Order: sequence, then C-alpha cells, then structure tokens
Amino acid sequence: DGGITQSPKYLFRKEGQNVTLSCEQNLNHDAMYWYRQDPGQGLRLIYYSQIVNDFQKGDIAEGYSVSREKKESFPLTVTSAQKNPTAFYLCASSKVVDRGYTFGSGTRLTVV
Amino acid sequence: AQKVTQAQTEISVVEKEDVTLDCVYETRDTTYYLFWYKQPPSGELVFLIRRNSFDEQNEISGRYSWNFQKSTSSFNFTITASQVVDSAVYFCALSEVDSGNTPLVFGKGTRLSVIA
Repeated sequence: DGGITQSPKYLFRKEGQNVTLSCEQNLNHDAMYWYRQDPGQGLRLIYYSQIVNDFQKGDIAEGYSVSREKKESFPLTVTSAQKNPTAFYLCASSKVVDRGYTFGSGTRLTVV
Repeated sequence: AQKVTQAQTEISVVEKEDVTLDCVYETRDTTYYLFWYKQPPSGELVFLIRRNSFDEQNEISGRYSWNFQKSTSSFNFTITASQVVDSAVYFCALSEVDSGNTPLVFGKGTRLSVIA
C-alpha cells in the first residue's frame, strides 16, 4: 500500500546533538513538507520541497536543515541551533496540482 | 498574508449532540483551497474534505457537513449526532493558488471531546 513512513516514532536527543528524522513516501508525489506541532499552536511549516534538489524555507526554518536527493525521501535534521526542539514533527506529501496532503504518523522528539 | 483562525480551542459535547466547528480565513487570492483534517490521539492527520474557492455548495458526507460562505470567509464543519469516536483535534487549513501554490497554512485546531 502507498503511504508515508516516518521514523522513528519516538526520539530522544541530548542537548547539543543533531538528529535526523526520516520521511519516505511511495505515492509518487512531487511535493513534500515538514511541519512542527506544539500544544495549542497548530501546525507550523518548517521546510517544503516541490521537486528534487530544491526546497524552500517555511515559517520556522531556523535551526533545521533538509535535503531532497530523491523524490521519495525528505529527511529533516534538527540541529543544535534549534533552541526548543521538543515537539511533534509531521511529514506530508502531495502532487503539485492535487493539493490533498497525505501525512505520516509523526515523530515525537524530546530533548533530555 | 494568508491566515486561518479557529476560535474554539476546546469543545465538549455529550454523545448524540450536534456540534459545529468554526473556521475563518483570510486571503487576498481569488483562487484558493480550503481543507479540514482530523487528528485522532494516534497523531496522524486524516484528510476530511477539500473545497476550492469557486465551489460554494455545501457538502454532506454521512454525519459530516460543511458550510462554505465566501461572504463571511468561513468554512464551518458540523458533526451531526456526535459519537465518542469523533473525539479528536480538528484542523482547518488554507492553500493559496494565485500566490503560487503555497503550502497549507493551518489553524491552531479545535479539540473536540465527545462524552458518552
């Protein structure tokens, strides 16, 4: 079955460490997105990519980095520069012209 | 700039009651899409509906219905005869087309609790 896979489901990080969240899709979607969810804040866009080897910053890109080397994959790195990284991270994908997003099941990151 | 407001942070209803979740949006575009998503406790967002700005027909799907009114920039969602399984966080979202197929902008969500 087609879908989006995010891994791991839970991730613990020590302060000062970089961590990478995985997002893989087999839907043949062109566009991929990363959102951050905090309690009471809704979903806020971190980065998005509409084609391979190209991506754009969202509203809260500081302290994060991404790559899009393959159509199926859009990993997110949370760097040590991100001051408050504890949150729930959601990856999504869509066809460019079809704006229905398919979401992954999320990764809950906790800084310890 | 585009913006989505869900003024209701939390709503509690007793099972079988009807409930309406409000969504007000702001955009300068003529062409745009509106969405509703459901987020159950598992965390994954589930797509409920997409509506384009030129289609103001109300839509009904089972116990769910949506009322789109451009005059008031609202896209409200009603659940009829609510059930415990409807308990979730519901998000309204907007994507602008004229501005270049912008990514979805979400409201802050409404947490619905249906009590048996």
